[in-house]
Amino acid sequence: GESVGLHLPTLSVQEGDNSIINCAYSNSASDYFIWYKQESGKGPQFIIDIRSNMDKRQGQRVTVLLNKTVKHLSLQIAATQPGDSAVYFCAESYNQGGKLIFGQGTELSVKP
Amino acid sequence: NAGVMQNPRHLVRRRGQEARLRCSPMKGHSHVYWYRQLPEEGLKFMVYLQKENIIDESGMPKERFSAEFPKEGPSILRIQQVVRGDSAAYFCASSRQEGGYTFGSGTRLTVV
Repeated sequence: GESVGLHLPTLSVQEGDNSIINCAYSNSASDYFIWYKQESGKGPQFIIDIRSNMDKRQGQRVTVLLNKTVKHLSLQIAATQPGDSAVYFCAESYNQGGKLIFGQGTELSVKP
Repeated sequence: NAGVMQNPRHLVRRRGQEARLRCSPMKGHSHVYWYRQLPEEGLKFMVYLQKENIIDESGMPKERFSAEFPKEGPSILRIQQVVRGDSAAYFCASSRQEGGYTFGSGTRLTVV
C-alpha cells in the first residue's frame, strides 16, 4: 500500500546546530513533496515543497533534498532555534494535487 | 485574509450523537480537503471536494461519515452515531487550484 515513513521519530538538537529530518516514501509515481511543521494544538504549517524534477530547493534557513533513486526526502534546518521545536511531517502527492499522503512525523526538540 | 476557518475548535459528543464540523476555505479557494489525525500520528486523507462535487472520497469510512461543500456556505464533515474511535483532530485544507494547501487549526472531537 501507499506509505510515507520517517526514519527517526524524535530528534533533539542544541540551539544553533543544524537539524536534518529524514523521510522515506514508497510510491515512485509521487511527483510533489511537501514538508510541514505542526505545533501543539495547531494545524500543519507549510515549510517548503519540491517537485520531482528537482533534487534540491532552498528557502529561508531550510533546504529540502530529494533523492528519487532511493525514494528519500530530507529537511535541513540551519541554525536551529527554540521556535523550531515542533513535529515535522513530510507528505507526497501526484501531479501537485489531490490527496496528500503524510508520514508519521518527527518531533524536533531544540535545547537552549 | 482570515485563512482557513474551522469551527468549533473543540467538540464533545456522547456515543451515538451526531458531529458536524465546519470549514470555511480561504477567500477565492474552491478546493477543500478533510484529514483526520489520531494522537501521535500523521494526517490521513479523508475526502477532497470542489463546490458541489466530491472529487475523491477514497479515505472516507463507508458508513456514518459524509461530507459536502455547497455552492454557498462552508464545507461540512458530518459524522453520524459517533463512537469513541472517532475521537481525533479533524483538519481542513483549501486551495485555489490543486495543490498549494493551507490548513485550518482543526476541530478536536472527543467522544465520551
